[in-house]
Amino acid sequence: LAKTTQPISMDSYEGQEVNITCSHNNIATNDYITWYQQFPSQGPRFIIQGYKTKVTNEVASLFIPADRKSSTLSLPRVSLSDTAVYYCLVGDGAAGNKLTFGGGTRVLVKP
Amino acid sequence: DAGITQSPRHKVTETGTPVTLRCHQTENHRYMYWYRQDPGHGLRLIHYSYGVKDTDKGEVSDGYSVSRSKTEDFLLTLESATSSQTSVYFCAISESGGLNEPQHFGDGTRLSIL
Repeated sequence: LAKTTQPISMDSYEGQEVNITCSHNNIATNDYITWYQQFPSQGPRFIIQGYKTKVTNEVASLFIPADRKSSTLSLPRVSLSDTAVYYCLVGDGAAGNKLTFGGGTRVLVKP
Repeated sequence: DAGITQSPRHKVTETGTPVTLRCHQTENHRYMYWYRQDPGHGLRLIHYSYGVKDTDKGEVSDGYSVSRSKTEDFLLTLESATSSQTSVYFCAISESGGLNEPQHFGDGTRLSIL
């Protein structure tokens, strides 16, 4: 799997937009970009996935530039409950892939 | 959320004892996974299964074995637990095995080996 690099931590305030950028310089042609969210004492939860350009769902947006060497997860108007660790993963659809989460980005939303 | 139940949720045991963790799903998904999560290492894949009686090793499989005799159950066994296996263990499921298929995780089992 392509190696990813993301900031260790970020602080924000309620109501602000949080943008987390993930670098994946060695992304392969068939690779997708997937983001998971993990709250304390819970398993990771799928947030969003994309291949190119922009993807938006009810939780977040994912921006992927044309070269696909990075991606940005955007969380609009965060609340205290968005405090969590966010993981960026890159890989292809090969069966039995070995999902590697890395350290993730710890986001702290303050009142 | 996906119907995934891990048991037990917490366990404390002694070095050298056998330990079995159970993952039960109600989604009829083909793929099931066991991960461990440790500070500074993120989640690491131990073993996974791509069908009944079909399993394969992950990144950190030494000291662990798995079995899947039914679609809904995936067991992780530590034959002789060691302190280095103290960790939080997560089970996950997915319909197919590709990364573009999201995995759904259970709430974890916190295992302490003294």
